[in-house]
Amino acid sequence: KQEVTQIPAALSVPEGENLVLNCSFTDSAIYNLQWFRQDPGKGLTSLLLIQSSQREQTSGRLNASLDKSSGRSTLYIAASQPGDSATYLCAVEETSGSRLTFGEGTQLTVNP
Amino acid sequence: DAGVTQSPTHLIKTRGQQVTLRCSPKSGHDTVSWYQQALGQGPQFIFQYYEEEERQRGNFPDRFSGHQFPNYSSELNVNALLLGDSALYLCASSRSVNEKLFFGSGTQLSVL
Repeated sequence: KQEVTQIPAALSVPEGENLVLNCSFTDSAIYNLQWFRQDPGKGLTSLLLIQSSQREQTSGRLNASLDKSSGRSTLYIAASQPGDSATYLCAVEETSGSRLTFGEGTQLTVNP
Repeated sequence: DAGVTQSPTHLIKTRGQQVTLRCSPKSGHDTVSWYQQALGQGPQFIFQYYEEEERQRGNFPDRFSGHQFPNYSSELNVNALLLGDSALYLCASSRSVNEKLFFGSGTQLSVL
């Protein structure tokens, strides 16, 4: 059974800092991995999707990497801003069209 | 173009009651998935509907049932509510079974 773990559970940083969020998964046979953002009491917004054949994806100040063999992914946020404050979730899809298995998320607070 | 819409946004029920949650997928999408997110946890997959049939199911009891209509909208029904059913229920749609998911804002269910 696939299990996804995210470290740290919570993170508080001053504005402008670069930061890294970590995600690990137990079964490396995945189809893709996604990083989502969730604001309190709201739905999920997909930030980056990495196919199993890819090593990384970039969007603006965000960069996600994937090391399938070691079962790890990182989300790098450059020059953090207070508006980045949210919960960040990673999720793996084991086969095309299958369910997403989520981690418990990292709650990020960026202080002005 | 409206995204995934869910109704109601909030709902309060008492133990033993039944509840129906509704979801309209994003325009052009024919596949709907439901997830349950308890406070402080990652979303857990409930089931997926495609062509009006349940295609995949997560580890949820039979009290959780669903339906998909010919216009691709979907309902989630929960019978004999328990306190532990209190959660944010998220609906996600995709263009087909193996396409990227788009999430709605969710229905916050409180069971008293």
